[in-house]
Amino acid sequence: KQEVTQIPAALSVPEGENLVLNCSFTDSAIYNLQWFRQDPGKGLTSLLLIQSSQREQTSGRLNASLDKSSGRSTLYIAASQPGDSATYLCAAISGSARQLTFGSGTQLTVLP
Amino acid sequence: DGGITQSPKYLFRKEGQNVTLSCEQNLNHDAMYWYRQDPGQGLRLIYYSQIVNDFQKGDIAEGYSVSREKKESFPLTVTSAQKNPTAFYLCASSRADYNSPLHFGNGTRLTVT
Repeated sequence: KQEVTQIPAALSVPEGENLVLNCSFTDSAIYNLQWFRQDPGKGLTSLLLIQSSQREQTSGRLNASLDKSSGRSTLYIAASQPGDSATYLCAAISGSARQLTFGSGTQLTVLP
Repeated sequence: DGGITQSPKYLFRKEGQNVTLSCEQNLNHDAMYWYRQDPGQGLRLIYYSQIVNDFQKGDIAEGYSVSREKKESFPLTVTSAQKNPTAFYLCASSRADYNSPLHFGNGTRLTVT
């Protein structure tokens, strides 16, 4: 059964810093990996989706990479801003039922 | 604007009562999902539906029921058999291909006392 882990659970950085969020998964036979953002009390917003054949995806200041062989994905946020403060979750689609398995998230705080 | 609407935002019920959470989407998506989120935990899949009149159990389906009579609607009923129903419930939808991202509603916070 797929397991997805995100470390650290919480991260606090000063504004302007570049940062990396980590996501690891146990079953490398994934179809894709998705990164989401969740603001307090809200639903999830899709940030990036990396297909299994891809190595990375970029959107603005965000860059996500995927290394299936090592079971890892990273989300790189450049020049962080207080508005980036949120919980970031990764999720992998795998298995015959192609279900999405979520990590428990990294709560990011960007200090002004 | 296209999107997913969940209602109500907050719901309070007494123990032993069934309650139904609404989820409507106008994105013309075939697939719809229900997730449960507890503090400090990731989302756990309750039920999903790939097509009208068909749905499948997820990892934690016990104590829940769903229907999919219309493409746009996927209501979730939390029954009295659910042992710990207080949680944040999220509905999502996507296109049928598995490389399309999930779109989420803003959730319903259910409190059962």
